[in-house]
Amino acid sequence: AQSVTQPDIHITVSEGASLELRCNYSYGATPYLFWYVQSPGQGLQLLLKYFSGDTLVQGIKGFEAEFKRSQSSFNLRKPSVHWSDAAEYFCAVGTGNQFYFGTGTSLTVIP
Amino acid sequence: NAGVTQTPKFQVLKTGQSMTLQCAQDMNHEYMSWYRQDPGMGLRLIHYSVGAGITDQGEVPNGYNVSRSTTEDFPLRLLSAAPSQTSVYFCASSRQVFNEKLFFGSGTQLSVL
Repeated sequence: AQSVTQPDIHITVSEGASLELRCNYSYGATPYLFWYVQSPGQGLQLLLKYFSGDTLVQGIKGFEAEFKRSQSSFNLRKPSVHWSDAAEYFCAVGTGNQFYFGTGTSLTVIP
Repeated sequence: NAGVTQTPKFQVLKTGQSMTLQCAQDMNHEYMSWYRQDPGMGLRLIHYSVGAGITDQGEVPNGYNVSRSTTEDFPLRLLSAAPSQTSVYFCASSRQVFNEKLFFGSGTQLSVL
């Protein structure tokens, strides 16, 4: 069965520091991979997606993610975090007619 | 563009009551879906539709019904609400299925007492 694991429930970083959010997936073929962000009281917004090709993908708001097939990972990174990045982040796998979401990582940004 | 519109934003029900959560999109998307979001469990797919007249079950379909009579609308029905259905519900749509991003509504917070 397909699954998505986000091992970090909550992460706290200082403003200006770098960020890496982890995501591992379980799927038999090359999946369609996504990162979404959810601000409080809002729906989810797409940050970036990977389908094929270059394994380093760029997204909105300065985020990037790297697909590593050997590690079944799709980690999200940002070189310098801003206070407005505080939110919940979800990794997702698209396969067939369904999307599978991880349990999310909550990001707190300290001034 | 309005995008994906969900109504109501908040709802309180008593156990056994029925209600319909509305979802409409104005982007002519073929794919529509309903998720529930619970603390520590992420988003779980309830039902989805790949076009008018076609629906299918997701991970957690029990207690919910859907129909898709038009491309624009995808209502979610709770026939007999239970406290276990207390959750935040999101409707999402996309032009196609897995090679397109999902557009999400702003959610419905449902409490069942």
